[in-house]
Amino acid sequence: GEDVEQSLFLSVREGDSSVINCTYTDSSSTYLYWYKQEPGAGLQLLTYIFSNMDMKQDQRLTVLLNKKDKHLSLRIADTQTGDSAIYFCAEVGSYNTDKLIFGTGTRLQVFP
Amino acid sequence: DAGVIQSPRHEVTEMGQEVTLRCKPISGHNSLFWYRQTMMRGLELLIYFNNNVPIDDSGMPEDRFSAKMPNASFSTLKIQPSEPRDSAVYFCASSGTGTGLLFGPGTRLTVL
Repeated sequence: GEDVEQSLFLSVREGDSSVINCTYTDSSSTYLYWYKQEPGAGLQLLTYIFSNMDMKQDQRLTVLLNKKDKHLSLRIADTQTGDSAIYFCAEVGSYNTDKLIFGTGTRLQVFP
Repeated sequence: DAGVIQSPRHEVTEMGQEVTLRCKPISGHNSLFWYRQTMMRGLELLIYFNNNVPIDDSGMPEDRFSAKMPNASFSTLKIQPSEPRDSAVYFCASSGTGTGLLFGPGTRLTVL
């Protein structure tokens, strides 16, 4: 079945790079997404990557996709305290392009 | 556009009472999703609609939960009767072609 896995916690120093990893099981996924959730708020769409791409860069964010290993990562350059949040990886379900399967979320803590 | 609008933002009720959560999707989006988020189970898809028609309600916990989408600009999620274990944050999200899934701010439900 479809499953998306992430590590639960990541702690980094302000100014360093953060790398949040995600593995998924559905090789037919067309899009993969990264969402950010700050305390008490909804999920905010950060970026996405189409499955025929290896990399996508958007300002401080870099998404890397390894389709062979079904591995997705989000790199945040120059991490700031405002980046502290929970980050969710999500894939589009193979049998329905509308349905997103979310990972458990990775809590990123940035310390000074 | 104001984004996905949910009401109320907070709801506190007593066990056995009926609860109705409301959602207004982004104009022009043709898919609407209801999610529930708890610490124990993370983010769960309850039901989603496409062009106002329920497509997948396999995530609805039990018959106490029902959802409707009478038109393209409005949806409700109803719990009757409510139980303490229904306490969670309920998110509504909508999507259109190429937009990704965009979330509302959520309704925090507490059932005493």
